[in-house]
Amino acid sequence: EPEVTQTPSHQVTQMGQEVILRCVPISNHLYFYWYRQILGQKVEFLVSFYNNEISEKSEIFDDQFSVERPDGSNFTLKIRSTKLEDSAMYFCASSEVGTQETQYFGPGTRLLVL
Amino acid sequence: KNEVEQSPQNLTAQEGEFITINCSYSVGISALHWLQQHPGGGIVSLFMLSSGKKKHGRLIATINIQEKHSSLHITASHPRDSAVYICAVHFGNEKLTFGTGTRLTIIP
Repeated sequence: EPEVTQTPSHQVTQMGQEVILRCVPISNHLYFYWYRQILGQKVEFLVSFYNNEISEKSEIFDDQFSVERPDGSNFTLKIRSTKLEDSAMYFCASSEVGTQETQYFGPGTRLLVL
Repeated sequence: KNEVEQSPQNLTAQEGEFITINCSYSVGISALHWLQQHPGGGIVSLFMLSSGKKKHGRLIATINIQEKHSSLHITASHPRDSAVYICAVHFGNEKLTFGTGTRLTIIP
């Protein structure tokens, strides 16, 4: 069964460094998302992406964040200058034809900023 | 403010019991998701619904649009059902707003 994959599974970085989290959505899906979950807290929406552009973003998704689909398969989240409070699990998800459809989640990348 | 509330926060039950987890939301929605988060952190989508009822195996999800309320039921619960169950809604836009989750533990 097709699945969303994410790399790396864990990343440790120093405050102020740039990180890129990578996702490979399910191949025929058109909508892509990033979510984050700070330890012990609820999942939060970051951004949705369709047709090579951001379709919606949350207040959390400020100028330090960016997303890109650099080729036909990868979907990346870049955090330009990491802060301690960026430490969280980051989930990528994709859906086939719309945002209000079943979303398929990747296994997550656990980011720790020191 | 658009909010999603779940109850209970924690639920422990014996194997075989019928489980009900509740979700209520503050204003009208266009769709609601029930998700399962495993102890390792992975998230699986269980249901997406905007009206009525859906059933998949031992899981049943219902939604009452007028009452702004949804329930997730598990029949004949099993220890492998132990997980965090999360309700998430679309308040008429693409963004999903998540509840805090219900931690379910099924004791053999």
